[in-house]
Amino acid sequence: EPEVTQTPSHQVTQMGQEVILRCVPISNHLYFYWYRQILGQKVEFLVSFYNNEISEKSEIFDDQFSVERPDGSNFTLKIRSTKLEDSAMYFCATAGLVRTDTQYFGPGTRLTVL
Amino acid sequence: EDQVTQSPEALRLQEGESSSLNCSYTVSGLRGLFWYRQDPGKGPEFLFTLYSAGEEKEKERLKATLTKKESFLHITAPKPEDSATYLCAVQAQNSGNTPLVFGKGTRLSVIA
Repeated sequence: EPEVTQTPSHQVTQMGQEVILRCVPISNHLYFYWYRQILGQKVEFLVSFYNNEISEKSEIFDDQFSVERPDGSNFTLKIRSTKLEDSAMYFCATAGLVRTDTQYFGPGTRLTVL
Repeated sequence: EDQVTQSPEALRLQEGESSSLNCSYTVSGLRGLFWYRQDPGKGPEFLFTLYSAGEEKEKERLKATLTKKESFLHITAPKPEDSATYLCAVQAQNSGNTPLVFGKGTRLSVIA
């Protein structure tokens, strides 16, 4: 069964450093999302991406965040200058041919900012 | 603002003791309501999608139902392997890639 994969599984970084989180969507999926979950809290939407551009973003997704699909397969989330409060699990999700299709989540990247 | 409230926050059951989890929602036009299972340190695993009031979906010991204001996840004769956090999420009718709005989840523990 096709799966969303994410790398790395755990990233530890110093405050102020840049990090790139990577996701390989399910083949043929067209809609991509990033969510995050701070320990003990809800899963929160960050950004959605379709046709090589951002479709929607939340208030969390400020100028420190960016997304791209550099090679037509990987989908990345970059945080330019990490803050302590960016520590969380970051989940990539992908959906199929229709924007209301079920979103399938990857296993997540645990980001720890020291 | 779209909102999802799940109750109880935590539920402890004996193996074989059936129960229900509740998900109340307010949304500006419901496109779909989703149930996911999340194990510790893992990503949400898709269980069900419900689109309209009166709809029901079943999978093994789980059954999800939907009304205009809430959804229930019924667990029949649970086993220890059903222990997980169950997340409810709604998707609004909207333009664009409508994101999911999640509840905090119900943490289920099934004791042998």
